[in-house]
Amino acid sequence: ETGVTQTPRHLVMGMTNKKSLKCEQHLGHNAMYWYKQSAKKPLELMFVYSLEERVENNSVPSRFSPECPNSSHLFLHLHTLQPEDSALYLCASSQVPAENTEAFFGQGTRLTVV
Amino acid sequence: TQLLEQSPQFLSIQEGENLTVYCNSSSVFSSLQWYRQEPGEGPVLLVTVVTGGEVKKLKRLTFQFGDARKDSSLHITAAQPGDTGLYLCAVIQGAQKLVFGQGTRLTINP
Repeated sequence: ETGVTQTPRHLVMGMTNKKSLKCEQHLGHNAMYWYKQSAKKPLELMFVYSLEERVENNSVPSRFSPECPNSSHLFLHLHTLQPEDSALYLCASSQVPAENTEAFFGQGTRLTVV
Repeated sequence: TQLLEQSPQFLSIQEGENLTVYCNSSSVFSSLQWYRQEPGEGPVLLVTVVTGGEVKKLKRLTFQFGDARKDSSLHITAAQPGDTGLYLCAVIQGAQKLVFGQGTRLTINP
């Protein structure tokens, strides 16, 4: 497998559930990202991991908890979400530092909170 | 306020027409990227522009970086239904942070 793979592609969860999103990259990159994409807002950067250390946390509520066990894997653990958290969650990877680094995205997980 | 303002937000035109979309900011950037996102997919990089005034062509797509490196445009000639998608501009902040505009959702009608 190549590129960036996200699972699951679709997820419906209740507000009291706990679930996890998974992202895997086979590009040898050293940075991974979580973005949130909803209909009414632009792509929002949530978390950045560089060399397996979290370097960015964009004021994301604590009900979202990222985990990066190694440079190839990234998880987003979800707990007691709200309906407004329904969105497309995109994972990306890149090689840093690089002047014009290209981000490679997965296909996303379409999350619906009911 | 958004770091990157894209306009128009929505554009629907007929096949064969030309169009231009814009990405503007009050900040100066060392480089700027354009991505296209098709339904059900993640964004894919189209081009990176790095020099003020630079023009890059990708088949029927022409990208220009403003002289002051604050803005960019994307011009499509003879649009085709396959050009339909969300066009996003993005810039790198710091060493790792890639920030996107809100995008232009383009629909090309056959």
